[in-house]
Parts: sequence; structure tokens; C-alpha cells
Amino acid sequence: DVKVTQSSRYLVKRTGEKVFLECVQDMDHENMFWYRQDPGLGLRLIYFSYDVKMKEKGDIPEGYSVSREKKERFSLILESASTNQTSMYLCASSQLTGDRFSYEQYFGPGTRLTVT
Amino acid sequence: RKEVEQDPGPFNVPEGATVAFNCTYSNSASQSFFWYRQDCRKEPKLLMSVYSSGNEDGRFTAQLNRASQYISLLIRDSKLSDSATYLCGDSSASKIIFGSGTRLSIRP
Repeated sequence: DVKVTQSSRYLVKRTGEKVFLECVQDMDHENMFWYRQDPGLGLRLIYFSYDVKMKEKGDIPEGYSVSREKKERFSLILESASTNQTSMYLCASSQLTGDRFSYEQYFGPGTRLTVT
Repeated sequence: RKEVEQDPGPFNVPEGATVAFNCTYSNSASQSFFWYRQDCRKEPKLLMSVYSSGNEDGRFTAQLNRASQYISLLIRDSKLSDSATYLCGDSSASKIIFGSGTRLSIRP
């Protein structure tokens, strides 16, 4: 059974704080993803990684950075949290994919971040 | 035009009914598609993957129409527990592009 875990279910931070969200998967998946989900806007891809130390920008990377030092772990960093980063953050992982082909993604339980 | 579009609903149907909703996609080269179910304040969970013309799993059937570029999800004999938001996804290289979801509410 695929397991994707995230470090916190709920998090409250102050504006300007540096925030770390951690994600770990146990399925030896190559690809890992960070999304945020807001009402009416659906899932928006922030960053993804297809290998250790590799990262690619998604649709909304501004204000975020990521780190992938080990295959199973993918971290999302908010360098200086702002109130408009209050959201649900979801991590996902999947097997390595081909050029036009994608395998299914498995999601972690999410972190509901509130920035005050 | 959005890459993946879904009717947001809500679809409100009685228990036992058959319900279907569509998802249109714009990338004609897409090879794989997905339906996810998401309960309120929970993560999306994979319901079905579609790699060819369609897929069936119990009461759930997904159909792919490449000519018109949409995938559909049919739920037969709907249960109260089917109430959720259903997200469709279209593969794009190594990513999935998700629609905003269709809300389904099953009433007793």
C-alpha cells in the first residue's frame, strides 16, 4: 500500500516566518510533487522533482522553494510566509514517467497552513 | 480555454440513481487520464486510471472519447458514501493537469 506522509496536518505561522513542510513516501517513487489547493482554484502545482537534487517549477513557484536530498523526501520551503500563502498544501508521488505518459499520483493527507 | 475543465456542480441525485459527469481536455496528445475522489478536507484518492478507451471497476465506469476530447465517469446504483468531489486529471509529460472538480451529493 502506497504511503505518503506529511509532517504536520495543521500549522499556524506568522507573516515573515520561514516555513518548512516535509513529505516522505515509502514506495521508491522517482517523482514527487507539491500542490496547493484553494476553494474554486483546484489543485495548483508549485514544484515537482523527478530525481534527487532535481527540481522543476510548476505553475505557481513564486514565494516557494524546494529541496530533495533523498529520494523518499521532498521539502517545500516558504522563505518568508505571507497571508496569501494560507492554503492546503498537498504532496504527491508517482513512478517515473515517459515523454507523454504519466502514472497515477498518490497524495499525502495534506497540511493546512494558516499565516497570520 | 482551461487545459482540463469540469462542471463544478453540485450534482444532487437520489440514492440508487445513475449519475455521469464529463471532463474535457485540450491536449490531443494526452495518453493517460485519471479520476480521483476527494472528501471534504481530505486528500484526493485515486479512483480509476484510464490508459486506453475506458475502464470499469464495480459500479464505476470511465470512458475516453478521443475524438471529442473528453472522459466521463459513470456511477451506477449510487450510495450515500459516493458523496464527494470528483477530480479528473490529464497527463502532460511527467505531470498531471487536474480539473477543479465536480461536487456530487447523494440524498437518501
